[in-house]
Amino acid sequence: GAVVSQHPSRVICKSGTSVKIECRSLDFQATTMFWYRQFPKQSLMLMATSNEGSKATYEQGVEKDKFLINHASLTLSTLTVTSAHPEDSSFYICSAGGTGVNQPQHFGDGTRLSIL
Amino acid sequence: DQQVKQNSPSLSVQEGRISILNCDYTNSMFDYFLWYKKYPAEGPTFLISISSIKDKNEDGRFTVFLNKSAKHLSLHIVPSQPGDSAVYFCAAQTTGTASKLTFGTGTRLQVTL
Repeated sequence: GAVVSQHPSRVICKSGTSVKIECRSLDFQATTMFWYRQFPKQSLMLMATSNEGSKATYEQGVEKDKFLINHASLTLSTLTVTSAHPEDSSFYICSAGGTGVNQPQHFGDGTRLSIL
Repeated sequence: DQQVKQNSPSLSVQEGRISILNCDYTNSMFDYFLWYKKYPAEGPTFLISISSIKDKNEDGRFTVFLNKSAKHLSLHIVPSQPGDSAVYFCAAQTTGTASKLTFGTGTRLQVTL
């Protein structure tokens, strides 16, 4: 099955630091990838759709300048949390695939971000 | 506005019995539905899906039922095994909307010995 790799799995850093999270599709090309965020005991909320070679599409309420997305190749999308603050602490998950008719998205293992 | 709802936050089932997880949705434009299983600190793992043109899809121990008129779907796991203990999310998608998934809030399944 499709494999999506996400790195790092956990980040702990000081307030004000920028953090980059990578999402790779390992055995298929992904023109579209998705970034989700999950707060404790809540559902996964879509943050943005990452499009290879073009600008990302952000969901309502998600700050574009805060969450920078780059999708420079067909197998890699990155999410950078700029000047992170404690309220940005969360579980970030990427997914890829699912762009064909009735095809499921496959998810990475997520990144636990903790801002001190 | 929660378009996909899982009203049971938790469910406990004895090993060997059937687990039934329920999901309701409000958006009639959804035409593809998926179930994912999630362990703590991991990403969701795809389990099974169903298109709106069907009312049932089966894969091994997992069966998903779709009732479009009631905007309701359910996941049946039989027989339940301890390794099935996890959080289960249902998700819905509308074809042609850049494949955006809308997730439910999840149901934590505990399979006891």
